[in-house]
Amino acid sequence: DADVTQTPRNRITKTGKRIMLECSQTKGHDRMYWYRQDPGLGLRLIYYSFDVKDINKGEISDGYSVSRQAQAKFSLSLESAIPNQTALYFCATSQGPTDTQYFGPGTRLTVL
Amino acid sequence: EDQVTQSPEALRLQEGESSSLNCSYTVSGLRGLFWYRQDPGKGPEFLFTLYSAGEEKEKERLKATLTKKESFLHITAPKPEDSATYLCAVPGGGATNKLIFGTGTLLAVQP
Repeated sequence: DADVTQTPRNRITKTGKRIMLECSQTKGHDRMYWYRQDPGLGLRLIYYSFDVKDINKGEISDGYSVSRQAQAKFSLSLESAIPNQTALYFCATSQGPTDTQYFGPGTRLTVL
Repeated sequence: EDQVTQSPEALRLQEGESSSLNCSYTVSGLRGLFWYRQDPGKGPEFLFTLYSAGEEKEKERLKATLTKKESFLHITAPKPEDSATYLCAVPGGGATNKLIFGTGTLLAVQP
């Protein structure tokens, strides 16, 4: 079984809808991250969490919110989706500040 | 400003034709450099971590090396299954462990 899982894997939605992407991990890591990937722009950090009580904005947090429900679960929400949020979204985990980040399989989100 | 630049953007090789990918970085106080492989529509898969200049790591046909300003991913006698996008990343400044990614090199190995 995969160590980092994401649901759904694909989602098509309409402008203005609320969307939640979920991430679960079995690696026992404290740190979790949400990234988005766009062609030509690489991976950019949306939010990150060091533990259940510590959530921080990344470089592109506008239009997104997150919830860390447990050490193993980290959800990303788009309160009112817009077309330029169409992208690949990845969750990642790590144990310490300079440790390797391990990525989930991604969610392909399309906002029409 | 912390920055990671990868070159070339795309590379096409014949099977068995060795080459190298480059990752140059600008960051204050390097705390590691990571190489990932990413297949289309999938999440990045961890390959290597390098921590100090002169360090080398190998895995099958891949070897990663590190200097004070750049890292190379050498691919020896590549096979078509090595085709993928290769990403490098470094932790940015501060204690957040935010990874700064390059935009990747898209490698295509033709049989």
